[in-house]
Amino acid sequence: GENVEQHPSTLSVQEGDSAVIKCTYSDSASNYFPWYKQELGKRPQLIIDIRSNVGEKKDQRIAVTLNKTAKHFSLHITETQPEDSAVYFCAASKTGNQFYFGTGTSLTVIP
Amino acid sequence: GAGVSQTPSNKVTEKGKYVELRCDPISGHTALYWYRQSLGQGPEFLIYFQGTGAADDSGLPNDRFFAVRPEGSVSTLKIQRTERGDSAVYLCASSFTGPNTGELFFGEGSRLTVL
Repeated sequence: GENVEQHPSTLSVQEGDSAVIKCTYSDSASNYFPWYKQELGKRPQLIIDIRSNVGEKKDQRIAVTLNKTAKHFSLHITETQPEDSAVYFCAASKTGNQFYFGTGTSLTVIP
Repeated sequence: GAGVSQTPSNKVTEKGKYVELRCDPISGHTALYWYRQSLGQGPEFLIYFQGTGAADDSGLPNDRFFAVRPEGSVSTLKIQRTERGDSAVYLCASSFTGPNTGELFFGEGSRLTVL
């Protein structure tokens, strides 16, 4: 099955700085890569996703890049704010199959 | 309701007991997933249903765990002879399987504590 690795496990940044979280995957057939944000005690919620036919996607302060050759994808958050503090999970999936999640990155934005 | 509903939200049981956790997915979602999340970890895949059938149950840790979805909607995760190591939050998610879709919608989870 798929193996998704995520780094770093914890990340602290000053408010206004950028944060980058990286994930690698093992199954070259994976074609859908979502990112989920989970606040303490809450359910994971999708914040952005990317499919294998594009290399980059942006939504306001959040962007995701995908390198299919290297089998890695990254989440970029610019101009971080305290409300961005949460645990972020990457995941990989292929059409009609289950999702494999990374181990999570706990992001703390320091005011 | 409009979202994925899971019951109970909290379950405390004794070692060796049997538990059932229920998931009511979003109406019209054909795919349903069960995950287990331990503190500080990512969701760990357990089982995935496409309609009524289990498309992939390779994540179930052992034969004490079983899940059903008899009518292609509500699903029940069943755990026999519970052990302390089964303590975790059990997350259910559903998705609409179709072109250019795939987002997982999670429930709030069922927190299981085995004493």
